Amino acid sequence: EAAVTQSPRNKVAVTGGKVTLSCNQTNNHNNMYWYRQDTGHGLRLIHYSYGAGSTEKGDIPDGYKASRPSQENFSLILELATPSQTSVYFCASGDLGGSQNTLYFGAGTRLSVL
Amino acid sequence: QQKVQQSPESLIVPEGGMASLNCTFSDRNSQYFWWYRQHSGEGPKALMSIFSNGDKKEGRFTAHLNKASLHVSLHIKDSQPSDSALYFCAVSTNTGKLTFGDGTVLTVKP
Repeated sequence: EAAVTQSPRNKVAVTGGKVTLSCNQTNNHNNMYWYRQDTGHGLRLIHYSYGAGSTEKGDIPDGYKASRPSQENFSLILELATPSQTSVYFCASGDLGGSQNTLYFGAGTRLSVL
Repeated sequence: QQKVQQSPESLIVPEGGMASLNCTFSDRNSQYFWWYRQHSGEGPKALMSIFSNGDKKEGRFTAHLNKASLHVSLHIKDSQPSDSALYFCAVSTNTGKLTFGDGTVLTVKP
């Protein structure tokens, strides 16, 4: 099974600080995704990528940047963290389009912004 | 923008009972449908997919798709306590982007 590793697993940040969440996948998938999970909102897509060097805005990109420096790594960056960004963040990877759309998720990063 | 809605929000069934989860979607161009399951403290994991109208059975799990009605469902027969989890419906067109519903919390009581 595809391996997706997120770091850190838990993070406490201060309002206005910069936060970087990291994700690494070892199955050579083209697509990678960042979601956040909040009670009552399910999984909402923040940014995604079709391959190294590409990033696309998802449904809720405001306040977030993404970086895909290589096939394996995809980062989510909060330049100026706010308490509303307190959430659980999941990274996922998957094959490109169509019926091969199974996503493999990491274990999540719990972020608290104080 | 695709909207995916799930019902009920939560469901309690006795061990050995049948659990039925529902999902409606808004984009008639939707082609691919998945059910994901998330146990507490873990990331979601793909449970099963369905791409054609009708039923698809995998063990105790049966998915049903009706594209004309914009509806997909999941039925779990002989529910076990280990089935207790958060279940997500996920829908895709052909863009490589999945849209998830808000989830149904299933509790199976021994």
